[in-house]
Amino acid sequence: KAGVTQTPRYLIKTRGQQVTLSCSPISGHRSVSWYQQTPGQGLQFLFEYFSETQRNKGNFPGRFSGRQFSNSRSEMNVSTLELGDSALYLCASSLDGTGIRGYTFGSGTRLTVV
Amino acid sequence: DQQVKQNSPSLSVQEGRISILNCDYTNSMFDYFLWYKKYPAEGPTFLISISSIKDKNEDGRFTVFLNKSAKHLSLHIVPSQPGDSAVYFCAASAEGGSEKLVFGKGTKLTVNP
Repeated sequence: KAGVTQTPRYLIKTRGQQVTLSCSPISGHRSVSWYQQTPGQGLQFLFEYFSETQRNKGNFPGRFSGRQFSNSRSEMNVSTLELGDSALYLCASSLDGTGIRGYTFGSGTRLTVV
Repeated sequence: DQQVKQNSPSLSVQEGRISILNCDYTNSMFDYFLWYKKYPAEGPTFLISISSIKDKNEDGRFTVFLNKSAKHLSLHIVPSQPGDSAVYFCAASAEGGSEKLVFGKGTKLTVNP
């Protein structure tokens, strides 16, 4: 079956702009979690969506937002981009968001803010 | 407050030797643990897991050990191969794995030929 698809793979934006990243989970998976990976901070949890509802949220400013559609596809939006937002953004798909079944990650979107 | 800690950012090992990656956690509610492996430009992939009812779980060359009293787990890779060179993330979950995963910062393993 198809894996987790994240688009685009690479993105370069200017400070102050906004960006939207997309994630298509594995078919049948209802939970999508977003993570930010930076060299010094590892995998930091942004938020999780389950059945179109945000169920968990990490400690990121309100500039980071997301949503999930009825087909479980999810988008993440970052407004007023800052240089520090440069990172690899990973989407993780799971059946129900629980740890016991593990997560399947996409390959990520590499965002560079200049 | 970081609940899952991987205190070694990097580890270098010779091919054929043992690699030991360590992970500590502070939340006593965690009772399910996983290791993920990540190559550059790819997402992390699941490697091995362990429940708190066990203290050891093996899968081929990979063994995870759990010391609940010390809130410590380790991943052993024997023998190490150059293809094992990657970043390894430790993750934890509570309520028997029914809660979301909390990840450590990762350890970059380099296996030298």
